[in-house]
Amino acid sequence: DTAVSQTPKYLVTQMGNDKSIKCEQNLGHDTMYWYKQDSKKFLKIMFSYNNKELIINETVPNRFSPKSPDKAHLNLHINSLELGDSAVYFCASSQGVGTNTGELFFGEGSRLTVL
Amino acid sequence: AQSVTQLGSHVSVSEGALVLLRCNYSSSVPPYLFWYVQYPNQGLQLLLKYTTGATLVKGINGFEAEFKKSETSFHLTKPSAHMSDAAEYFCAVRGSGTYKYIFGTGTRLKVLA
Repeated sequence: DTAVSQTPKYLVTQMGNDKSIKCEQNLGHDTMYWYKQDSKKFLKIMFSYNNKELIINETVPNRFSPKSPDKAHLNLHINSLELGDSAVYFCASSQGVGTNTGELFFGEGSRLTVL
Repeated sequence: AQSVTQLGSHVSVSEGALVLLRCNYSSSVPPYLFWYVQYPNQGLQLLLKYTTGATLVKGINGFEAEFKKSETSFHLTKPSAHMSDAAEYFCAVRGSGTYKYIFGTGTRLKVLA
């Protein structure tokens, strides 16, 4: 039973199109994240939601819009795709902060290729 | 603010040799430290973590890491490399009370037969 699942695993699309990636976690965690991994494997945090509230919004073009309909789901919509958006996008979840010292649990990633 | 530096983007070791992957961090609050491994075309998997208490932590697959506050380091070691250890390794830090996990740039480990 997959803990953090993302769909689709692969997307190939043309510049200017719009695409969405969906993420679901069945761990009961409060906090979910989107990370972008570029071709050099660098992982950069994009967004984080805690109980459906946006808590981290890094310097990301406003063409990227996250949505969290409930604490088990976090989606990422990208408008007007550009070549530089090509990357692997990882969803992750954690139990949160406070006294918790837990780690991130990652999905398998969604590889986006913009042509 | 937190940051992580991993020295060496590529490390090669012979099978059976010691693995040492270096990680230094900076954090304005007590840090929680993590090592993750990423195999090709997969997500990241936790190897081990330091939260509080014992500074030498053991993880999966025979890996361990030691938290040294005075050196702000959290280096990853394994006494004897196996071919299956070839992967990308990431060190990460999260400050206590913060939500943001910051990752290093990764170290690709190559194991030579």
